Amino acid sequence: GNSVTQMEGPVTLSEEAFLTINCTYTATGYPSLFWYVQYPGEGLQLLLKATKADDKGSNKGFEATYRKETTSFHLEKGSVQVSDSAVYFCALVNTGFQKLVFGTGTRLLVSP
Amino acid sequence: EAGVAQSPRYKIIEKRQSVAFWCNPISGHATLYWYQQILGQGPKLLIQFQNNGVVDDSQLPKDRFSAERLKGVDSTLKIQPAKLEDSAVYLCASSPQGEPGGYTFGSGTRLTVV
Repeated sequence: GNSVTQMEGPVTLSEEAFLTINCTYTATGYPSLFWYVQYPGEGLQLLLKATKADDKGSNKGFEATYRKETTSFHLEKGSVQVSDSAVYFCALVNTGFQKLVFGTGTRLLVSP
Repeated sequence: EAGVAQSPRYKIIEKRQSVAFWCNPISGHATLYWYQQILGQGPKLLIQFQNNGVVDDSQLPKDRFSAERLKGVDSTLKIQPAKLEDSAVYLCASSPQGEPGGYTFGSGTRLTVV
């Protein structure tokens, strides 16, 4: 079946530090990959996506590259801010289906 | 563009009681989803509608959960009777037809069963 595995949190960083949140997936076919963010008290928001191998999704300074050979979609940001503190979810949608399959989420805490 | 509307925002009930959640998707979005997000876990799909038909309800505990989407617009999710393990955030999302992953999520309803 389809599944997503994320690194355990929380990830605790100081402001301006480099961020990596690991995500790997298992899927048949050619899934589209996503990162969603959930700020405290809010709903899920799409952060970025990639629909085919070697695509790079980017938004708000965050980036992730679709690596088919390693079945990975790691989230990176060069310099985090306190306002980036949130829970980040990696997810996939498989070709022919529309339902999102989520990882368990990784909480990011950024201190000043 | 108005977002996905959900109500209520919070609900506290006793076990064995019933509860209903409402969702109004983005206008024109054919596909509507209900997800359950238990604390510390990722959202899990309960049911997916395409217009007013059910596409996937394989993860819906049908002995206690039911959902409908009359007229292919807004939707109601019901739990009867509730159990303690149903405590979670219930998220509604909608997407245009044929746009995998192009979801917009509502803010969710936080249910606490005591």
